[in-house]
Amino acid sequence: EVQLVESGGGLVQPGGSLRLSCAASGFTFSDYWMHWVRQAPGKGLMWVSRIYNDGISTIYADSVKGRFTISRDNAKNTLYLQMNSLRDEDTALYYCARGQHCIGSSCSGGYFDLWGRGTLVTVSS
Amino acid sequence: DIVLTQSPDSLAVSLGERATINCKSSQSVLYSSNNKNYLGWYQQRPGQPPRLLIYWASTRESGVPDRFSGSGSGTDFTLTISSLQAEDVAVYYCQQYYSSPYTFGQGTNLEIK
Repeated sequence: EVQLVESGGGLVQPGGSLRLSCAASGFTFSDYWMHWVRQAPGKGLMWVSRIYNDGISTIYADSVKGRFTISRDNAKNTLYLQMNSLRDEDTALYYCARGQHCIGSSCSGGYFDLWGRGTLVTVSS
Repeated sequence: DIVLTQSPDSLAVSLGERATINCKSSQSVLYSSNNKNYLGWYQQRPGQPPRLLIYWASTRESGVPDRFSGSGSGTDFTLTISSLQAEDVAVYYCQQYYSSPYTFGQGTNLEIK
C-alpha cells in the first residue's frame, strides 16, 4: 500500500526539541521531493519545509528557518524533521507530503499527491 | 511570497446544487515554458488529512469524482462542484507550487444548506 506514516510528536516545553519521522512505503521514496506541512488547531495549512529526492537541497518557511532541519534516509525510506528551540506557535499537526517526482535530471509534478495522517506537536509549559 | 486569497471563506449549498470556490493569486503561477498553471486544489474532510483533488489548475486526480472541476489561468482560479453530495462537506484549499514558499489559500469551509 502506498502510504506515509508520521511519528514522533508529543508534548514539549518551550525551548525544547523534538524529532519527527515519516515512514514511506509502497513507492520509490528516493524518486520524490518530500515536504512537511503543518496545521495549527482550527487553522489552515502552512508549508514548512522541502527536501530534494537526493537530500542535497533543502528550504524552509521563514518562521522555522534556523530552528528546524529537514533530512531523509533513502535507504530507510524515511523523512525527518528536527525541531529545536520550539515555541508555543509551533503547536500543530505536522503532515509529511509527497511532492515532485524526479528521475535523474527529469522532474514532473510538484503538487502534493500523497499525505500522511499527521503527528501532533504540542509546545506548552 | 505568493499570496493566495480564497473566496468565500464559507459557503452553504443545498444537496444537488452547484458550489463554486475562487482562488486569486498575488502573482501569476503560469509557467510560460510549458504553459502550465502551478495551482492545485485540496479537500480536507473533518479529522482527515488533505487530499489532492485537482492539479495543473484543471487536471482531476485519479479517483476524484467528475463532479469536481478546476478552471482558470494566471492569477484567477475556480473550483466547481457541479452537484453537491453530503460527502463533499469539507474545507477546500488552493495551493501554488510555482515557487517556494509553497503557499496555501486560507481555506473555504463548505457546508450543506
